[in-house]
Amino acid sequence: ETGVTQSPTHLIKTRGQQVTLRCSSQSGHNTVSWYQQALGQGPQFIFQYYREEENGRGNFPPRFSGLQFPNYSSELNVNALELDDSALYLCASSLISGANYEQYFGPGTRLTVT
Amino acid sequence: GNSVTQMEGPVTLSEEAFLTINCTYTATGYPSLFWYVQYPGEGLQLLLKATKADDKGSNKGFEATYRKETTSFHLEKGSVQVSDSAVYFCALSVGSGNTGKLIFGQGTTLQVKP
Repeated sequence: ETGVTQSPTHLIKTRGQQVTLRCSSQSGHNTVSWYQQALGQGPQFIFQYYREEENGRGNFPPRFSGLQFPNYSSELNVNALELDDSALYLCASSLISGANYEQYFGPGTRLTVT
Repeated sequence: GNSVTQMEGPVTLSEEAFLTINCTYTATGYPSLFWYVQYPGEGLQLLLKATKADDKGSNKGFEATYRKETTSFHLEKGSVQVSDSAVYFCALSVGSGNTGKLIFGQGTTLQVKP
């Protein structure tokens, strides 16, 4: 157990809808990163939040957005859902931002878009 | 650009066999290297890490050595157990400023038979 929690566990949405996924970071961690893992693939970096500011973004369109709150929990919002957005969404927290610091993953939210 | 390449799976072994999963990387700068493991239906768990050349990461009988000259970080275990059956991901992290995003390989499935 890493202490990182995500909700909901599973979600089914229709194309064009909007979705919000939530993540609570491990106690004491101020950095949260979000990843998308398509079936049979490695996770792809979406973005990172450090002390409530976006701190790096991967190759994802603007309809993927996020927030980090003062308690360092985070949300991932996806607008105008597409079928290809179906994936496992993982959040990871780390003690501090930086390449040397290990990231601890939550169990993920499985999103299915129909 | 930065990338990670892992050997194709699945890898099928008998219990107590020796395990090697190959991982090579391409990176600008000096990455940190990680192995993560994903059990069915779960998120990723950090298995081990190495932050500089010639470092050896180890955990639960697994080992990997950061080889800068061959840009490799192969995972090894002397005697696998059925409980080691999972998907293994090699990853690198390079900091851009203070952002440490993880770049993953495609994953290697390990099946251990009794």
